[in-house]
Amino acid sequence: KNQVEQSPQSLIILEGKNCTLQCNYTVSPFSNLRWYKQDTGRGPVSLTIMTFSENTKSNGRYTATLDADTKQSSLHITASQLSDSASYICVVSVGNAGNMLTFGGGTRLMVKP
Amino acid sequence: DTGVSQNPRHKITKRGQNVTFRCDPISEHNRLYWYRQTLGQGPEFLTYFQNEAQLEKSRLLSDRFSAERPKGSFSTLEIQRTEQGDSAMYLCASSFSRGASTDTQYFGPGTRLTVL
Repeated sequence: KNQVEQSPQSLIILEGKNCTLQCNYTVSPFSNLRWYKQDTGRGPVSLTIMTFSENTKSNGRYTATLDADTKQSSLHITASQLSDSASYICVVSVGNAGNMLTFGGGTRLMVKP
Repeated sequence: DTGVSQNPRHKITKRGQNVTFRCDPISEHNRLYWYRQTLGQGPEFLTYFQNEAQLEKSRLLSDRFSAERPKGSFSTLEIQRTEQGDSAMYLCASSFSRGASTDTQYFGPGTRLTVL
């Protein structure tokens, strides 16, 4: 069964601090891995997309890594801001066409002043 | 606004009633996806269209669910004989793809369904 597991489920950090969110997946065939940010009551917004051959990708203060051998990914947030408070969802694209997405349960991040 | 729009944003219905949601994708996006998200969980894939053709359907999509994209633009998702377990956020996303698997899906704000 295709699964995407994220940890921690929730995280509270102080503004300005860094944090790292984890994602493990068991998906076959793997196509690509995405990180999304979802604010409460809103649709998810794409942060990064990485294919099998990519190890790291950055988007501003967000840096995602991918280890396809261990089937693990991480999302590192640098110098957190209050607006970073949201759910961060790891999404793995399944299949040769890569159209079917399997979502993790998300990590709910709260940044406090 | 050129983003993905969904209507209505909220729907409250009684068990057994039929409901229909609409999604307007970003103009010229050829792919359109439907997802369901329950509280505290990540979205679950329901179905997707390439232009007007429905190419994939999840096993989550029971016989009471039907989706259409008649002209390859907007899409509707209908739930017949709603059940309390249907209560969820229904998300629509669209993308433009030339066949690559890394097309970015842009999500709408969702329709929150509450079945009483």
